[in-house]
This record gives sequence, C-alpha cells and structure tokens, in this order.
Amino acid sequence: AQKVTQAQTEISVVEKEDVTLDCVYETRDTTYYLFWYKQPPSGELVFLIRRNSFDEQNEISGRYSWNFQKSTSSFNFTITASQVVDSAVYFCALSLIQGAQKLVFGQGTRLTINP
Amino acid sequence: DTGVSQNPRHKITKRGQNVTFRCDPISEHNRLYWYRQTLGQGPEFLTYFQNEAQLEKSRLLSDRFSAERPKGSFSTLEIQRTEQGDSAMYLCASSFPTGLNTGELFFGEGSRLTVL
Repeated sequence: AQKVTQAQTEISVVEKEDVTLDCVYETRDTTYYLFWYKQPPSGELVFLIRRNSFDEQNEISGRYSWNFQKSTSSFNFTITASQVVDSAVYFCALSLIQGAQKLVFGQGTRLTINP
Repeated sequence: DTGVSQNPRHKITKRGQNVTFRCDPISEHNRLYWYRQTLGQGPEFLTYFQNEAQLEKSRLLSDRFSAERPKGSFSTLEIQRTEQGDSAMYLCASSFPTGLNTGELFFGEGSRLTVL
C-alpha cells in the first residue's frame, strides 16, 4: 500500500522567510508520480507540481522549488521569500497512475505567513 | 466561470436522512473524481468516472453511498441513511482525457456535509 507522511502539522513564519515543507512517501512500485497541491481557505485544491519517479531533477518555479530524493523517499517543497498569500494548507500526494486517477494524500501542513 | 462547480456548498441534515451532492466538471474533461476530506486530514479517494463509466470505487464507499454520471457530464453523489461519521467535505475533481492528461486534477470548492 502507498502512504504519504507530512510530519509538520503546522508551520508559522514571518513574511520573507524561507520555509520548507517536508514530504515522505512509501511505495513498493518503481513507477509512481508525486504531487503537491495547495488548499487556500476557499477549500479548492490547486495543483502545483507533478514529478515522475524516474526524474529526480529538482524544479524551480518562481519562489517555489521542489527537491525530490528517491534515496530518502522524500519530495520536499521550499517557498523562498514567503508572502502572506502563501498561507494555506499544502498537501503532498502520490499516484501509481500517470493520469492520477487515485491520489493518496498526506495529512497536510498548515502554513501561516505572518506580516 | 469555467471551473468545477459543486452544489450545495453546505448541507446540514439529521442522522438517517438522505443527501445528494452534484458536481459539474469542466466541460472538456471526461474524467471525474470524488474525494472525501475530514477535518485536519488529507482528501481520500472515493470513486472515479471516465465518461459515464464508473471505473473504480474505494472500500470507503459503503453500500449507503452511490455515485452516478449518467450522461458523462455532471455527476451526483448520494448518501443514504446518513450517519454522523459521514460529516466531511466532499470534493469533486475533473481532468483531461487520456493523452492530454498531465496528471493535474481540477478541484471544486467542495460540498460540506454536517450530520446532526
């Protein structure tokens, strides 16, 4: 069975600080897909990134970056120079299917950015 | 608004009553998903449709739950004889057809159910 663990339940930082959200996953399959979603107070989950298990390149998108390490089964998410608008619950998820028909989500990390 | 639409947004019901939620996906999407999210937890997969065919159901979907997508467009999720443990946010998502699918799911804002 697949499992995703986000050990950080809540994180609170001051605006402009860098913050890293941890994600550890478990699966016996060699092909899998990892995701990060953001859930703002409105409740609508917003897709941030998908990463394939065979692509360990780190990715940067603006202030967001992702560090995928198969050796430690981790897929961590860093926000650089955080802003108040980054405040949300962030979920890491795993799927065995490219089309992401069945996502297994972690418990989420509630991130609060204080002005 | 061309996003995923869910109705009603909030439903309060008494234990034992039936409730039905509706999801209107993005029109070009042929895949539709239902997830359930309880307070402080991540969403859990319930079921998935490709067009009108229900292709997978989670063990979480007990006999009291039924989902349909009769014409391959909107979907309904019905819960019969509700129990207090059914209280949760019910999330609908849709995605592009195979071949165009990047793995991104487009979620609605959810339907929150409270069973008294």
